[in-house]
Amino acid sequence: EDQVTQSPEALRLQEGESSSLNCSYTVSGLRGLFWYRQDPGKGPEFLFTLYSAGEEKEKERLKATLTKKESFLHITAPKPEDSATYLCAVPVVGGSYIPTFGRGTSLIVHP
Amino acid sequence: KAGVTQTPRYLIKTRGQQVTLSCSPISGHRSVSWYQQTPGQGLQFLFEYFSETQRNKGNFPGRFSGRQFSNSRSEMNVSTLELGDSALYLCATGEDNYGYTFGSGTRLTVV
Repeated sequence: EDQVTQSPEALRLQEGESSSLNCSYTVSGLRGLFWYRQDPGKGPEFLFTLYSAGEEKEKERLKATLTKKESFLHITAPKPEDSATYLCAVPVVGGSYIPTFGRGTSLIVHP
Repeated sequence: KAGVTQTPRYLIKTRGQQVTLSCSPISGHRSVSWYQQTPGQGLQFLFEYFSETQRNKGNFPGRFSGRQFSNSRSEMNVSTLELGDSALYLCATGEDNYGYTFGSGTRLTVV
């Protein structure tokens, strides 16, 4: 069965303390991996799509990377405004590509 | 561009009642997907509609249903509400294999 697992469940960092979030997946025939950011009380906000192993994408302090079994979201010198839940999702091929989401990593960055 | 609009933002219902939630996708987008988000289960796929036809369905009981209108607006209905139906219901729109755009959700509380 297709599965997406994120770790850690929660992460507390000091401002400026870099770290990485992990998303591992077991999917037959990966057709992309998505990263989202979700703030409390809001819907997820799209960040990146990665399609092949070795691919990297960056946005401000965030960099996403992809291997054949997992993806990492690296956060460099985080700021308090980076506090959010970060979700990864993998499209499951059915009639169309339906993203299956991991449980997310709740990130808190302290000033 | 206008985003995905969900109404209402908050709802409180009693067990046994039914509820209808509404979603207006981004103009020009023909697909609408619905998700249920709870602290215990995370984001779970309910169903997807494309051009007024249900294209995919998740593993939810028949009490959960939906439809899509010719203007792409979608509604989902939950009948005979249970306490466990309390959740954030999210609507998303997306084309092909690109990242979804989510609405802010409807927070349903069943008492």
